Amino acid sequence: KNEVEQSPQNLTAQEGEFITINCSYSVGISALHWLQQHPGGGIVSLFMLSSGKKKHGRLIATINIQEKHSSLHITASHPRDSAVYICAVRRQGAQKLVFGQGTRLTINP
Amino acid sequence: ETGVTQSPTHLIKTRGQQVTLRCSSQSGHNTVSWYQQALGQGPQFIFQYYREEENGRGNFPPRFSGLQFPNYSSELNVNALELDDSALYLCASSLFATGELFFGEGSRLTVL
Repeated sequence: KNEVEQSPQNLTAQEGEFITINCSYSVGISALHWLQQHPGGGIVSLFMLSSGKKKHGRLIATINIQEKHSSLHITASHPRDSAVYICAVRRQGAQKLVFGQGTRLTINP
Repeated sequence: ETGVTQSPTHLIKTRGQQVTLRCSSQSGHNTVSWYQQALGQGPQFIFQYYREEENGRGNFPPRFSGLQFPNYSSELNVNALELDDSALYLCASSLFATGELFFGEGSRLTVL
């Protein structure tokens, strides 16, 4: 079993829909990152969380440390949100970042 | 724009050759980490450098090595290339104290 599991693996939705991507992990962590990767490869860091909730524009990220679970929400989704979203965790006391497999999101107009 | 640049963007090598990939960190960032991403897979952590010393390593063999320079730019060297080394190689710079990551666009390596 992977240390970081994301769901769903693929998600297709219509423009305007509310999107939720989930991330579960099995180790103690010092931080969790949500990343966005567009075709061509470049990765953009969306959020770094160690507790609670963060919001940036239409994006919201939450984390529940006790349940070892995080969610990324996108409100009023748009075709330009189409990308792969990756959850990554940094283990407590370590530098290694462990990545989930990613969620491929497609927003249709 | 993250301020992190990688070179070259694409390159093709043959099995057994050696390759050097370069990464210029965002100004003021003292930490750089390198990742390998095979096609259709999530990234895998290779190693991290902080103030010119390796301070974390993933499950990669010793033929993957790195350097970080006093200006915090970095190199990833891979010796004795294998076909499975074909991947996108990403670097990310950060401040050790905060941990927020800034990624480059990646170097896509093809080994024939």
